[in-house]
Order: sequence, then structure tokens, then C-alpha cells
Amino acid sequence: ELKVEQNPLFLSMQEGKNYTIYCNYSTTSDRLYWYRQDPGKSLESLFVLLSNGAVKQEGRLMASLDTKARLSTLHITAAVHDLSATYFCAVDERSGGSNYKLTFGKGTLLTVNP
Amino acid sequence: DTEVTQTPKHLVMGMTNKKSLKCEQHMGHRAMYWYKQKAKKPPELMFVYSYEKLSINESVPSRFSPECPNSSLLNLHLHALQPEDSALYLCASSQSLTGSYEQYFGPGTRLTVT
Repeated sequence: ELKVEQNPLFLSMQEGKNYTIYCNYSTTSDRLYWYRQDPGKSLESLFVLLSNGAVKQEGRLMASLDTKARLSTLHITAAVHDLSATYFCAVDERSGGSNYKLTFGKGTLLTVNP
Repeated sequence: DTEVTQTPKHLVMGMTNKKSLKCEQHMGHRAMYWYKQKAKKPPELMFVYSYEKLSINESVPSRFSPECPNSSLLNLHLHALQPEDSALYLCASSQSLTGSYEQYFGPGTRLTVT
């Protein structure tokens, strides 16, 4: 069974600082996703990472994937308050034949303080 | 159009009520999903329909009854729910269940059982 571990689970940052959220998974997978969720809202897709060495950037967020290490990182540069949210990584898991389903990490609650 | 819509946005129901949640997509996707998300937890998969047939049931209690009337619509019928069923219910769709495809999430229905 696929396990997806995120750390840290809670992250309190000051504005302007940099930090990285880590996502480890236990078996091979075709895709890794990063989502953002604001309180009471749905999941917002941030990045889809398809292959080893993939790096994607959007604003102050950059995601990377190392399939050999089964590790993805979400790097935050010069954090601002608007980035406060919960961030989930999720990995596609083959489930019975050729069916796939998503397995989520527990999420990282990010709070950016002035 | 990459939108998944859900109605209602909020629902309050008593334990003896019968209600339904609705989900719709017009992206031509053939896989549709129901997730349940409790506060501060990741989404949990409940059901998956593939080509309008139930493909995955994650051992969900029978008080939750899914229905897929056609390829664009997904319903979740609720009956005799318990207060612990209060949660955010998310619908998602993807191109197919077989193969690794991105899931697109709807805005969710916030359900409160009194």
C-alpha cells in the first residue's frame, strides 16, 4: 500500500523567509500533485509533476520531483501572508489492474506571519 | 471548460432526513469521484464511477448511496446520517480511471448533520 508522508505538518514562517515542504512516497508512481486548500474551500491544483527531475514554478512557489528518491519538494521563496493555507501532496497509486487512485499526504498547515 | 460544479454549497440535515448532493462536469471525463474531508484531514476517497459504472467503493456505509445517471452527472444520496458524517464532500472528475490522469475538483458541499 502506498504511503505518502509530508513534513512538516505545521509550519509557521515570517514574511520574507524561505522554506521547503517535503513529500516522500513509498512506491513508484506516475504522477505527483501539489494542492492548496484555504479554510472551508476546495482543493486548488498548484502543480502536476510527471517525470524525474521535473521542476515547476509559479510565483513564489517551486515544486520539484525526484522519482529515484521518491521525494518531492515545495519551496516557498520570500513568503507573504497570502500563502497561508494547507498544502497537500498527492500521488497516483495503481489500484487493482489498471485503475488509479490518489493517495494524499496529511497536509502542511502553513501560516505566514508579518 | 475545466469546471466541476457541485450543489448545494451548504446543507444542514437531520438524522432522519433524506437529501442528495449533485455534481456535474462537461469536460467529457469518464471517471467521477466522491471524497469526504473532515476538518484538518486530507480528502478520503469514497466512490469512483468509471463509464457510469461503480468501480471503487471504499467500504462506505450504506447510508451513503452513489448514483451516476449519465456521464456528466454524479449524485450522492444521503439517508439516516450521523453527526460524525458532517464534513466537506468533494466531487472530482478525470479523463479516465484506467491510467494516470489529473483529477479536477469541484468546490465542495459543506454538510452538517444535526
